[in-house]
Amino acid sequence: EVQLVETGGGLVQPGRSLKLSCVASGFTFNNYWMSWTRQAPGKGLEWVASITNSGGSTYYPDSVKGRFTISRDNAQNTLYLQMNSLRSEDTATYYCTSGAFAYWGQGTLVTVSS
Amino acid sequence: DVVLTQTPPTLSATIGQSVSISCRSSQSLLHSNGNTYLHWLLQRPGQSPQLLIYLVSRLESGVPNRFSGSGSGTDFTLKISGVEAEDLGVYYCVQGTHAPYTFGAGTKLELK
Repeated sequence: EVQLVETGGGLVQPGRSLKLSCVASGFTFNNYWMSWTRQAPGKGLEWVASITNSGGSTYYPDSVKGRFTISRDNAQNTLYLQMNSLRSEDTATYYCTSGAFAYWGQGTLVTVSS
Repeated sequence: DVVLTQTPPTLSATIGQSVSISCRSSQSLLHSNGNTYLHWLLQRPGQSPQLLIYLVSRLESGVPNRFSGSGSGTDFTLKISGVEAEDLGVYYCVQGTHAPYTFGAGTKLELK
């Protein structure tokens, strides 16, 4: 059974940092591009970052470029999202997803507020 | 950025009724490699999204065959042939042809 389990969410002040983790199981992690997608409360979905299966290339939308960093540890089947300079508009549930959005985690809530 | 326009925003249906959702793109989603990276997701209340259809018309494993996808270029459709109670939720189209990946705003399927 495929599982993606995100951790690391919580309440953080504007301007501070937070690092999310996602542990994968049930599929060959290092064969897949991986992504983070977020959903603000009551809103739609927004792609946040993607990384190739080797970790050699990363991609971001302008809304997070320069503030967020996606990375992976294939030996540990783990995906990360380092989020710096957080803003109130980054408040959302963050989902770990596989390439082409086939697999989704349960999400972890990040709240940016003073 | 590619804008995906989904219609209708809300859909009311009775059990057994067939319904369609449209997703129109602001530019062609045909990739230079010949694939069209347009997928459909369903998010049930309180749950994570799940993949229903990928590459326009391919049914994800385990998804009932009452779901079907069609289209090309900029116009795409998701059809549910005989709505069941478990189909209620918000449907999203998403494109992976052009960076940044973008989602439609969603279509909420409700029971009439």
